[in-house]
Amino acid sequence: AQSVTQPDIHITVSEGASLELRCNYSYGATPYLFWYVQSPGQGLQLLLKYFSGDTLVQGIKGFEAEFKRSQSSFNLRKPSVHWSDAAEYFCAVDGGADGLTFGKGTHLIIQP
Amino acid sequence: GAVVSQHPSWVICKSGTSVKIECRSLDFQATTMFWYRQFPKQSLMLMATSNEGSKATYEQGVEKDKFLINHASLTLSTLTVTSAHPEDSSFYICSAPSGIGTDTQYFGPGTRLTVL
Repeated sequence: AQSVTQPDIHITVSEGASLELRCNYSYGATPYLFWYVQSPGQGLQLLLKYFSGDTLVQGIKGFEAEFKRSQSSFNLRKPSVHWSDAAEYFCAVDGGADGLTFGKGTHLIIQP
Repeated sequence: GAVVSQHPSWVICKSGTSVKIECRSLDFQATTMFWYRQFPKQSLMLMATSNEGSKATYEQGVEKDKFLINHASLTLSTLTVTSAHPEDSSFYICSAPSGIGTDTQYFGPGTRLTVL
């Protein structure tokens, strides 16, 4: 069965600093990978997705993620965070018939 | 940690019938729950926000008369797909905020609906 691990439950970053959120997955074939963001009280919003092709994908709000098959990783990055980026971030893998599996999320805190 | 369950995990039904999917928060109370659907190999799409004791809030383009949501208690929200058609076949997921500290969301395991 597929699984997703987000090893960092909380991350604190200073405003303007760079950000990397880690995501590792376990899946037998080429995965379809997603990053979602959720602000308090809101539903999920898709940041970006990887299906195939270029392993570096660009998303909304200045986010990007890189698919590394050898490391089974799909880490999310942003070169300079803004206070409005404070939210919960979820990585997910689509296993086809097994549906979508989410990581437990990483809570991002932005320090002034 | 907090757990959200969904029932059933798989359901197959005939076209024209109605199907009810349950979403339960097992060890915490949730005044709000979210319902999503996902087509194969596509992104998750928010359908509606379920509010305990009041009407659900539907996203644009989602038919509220077709996807009936009832949040009858602080631990249960139900999604009923009425007069289901094959195009309703999808993966339905619910989530609920734990309401503890960081407002972390917990996701149910999903329900795969196949309409014949």
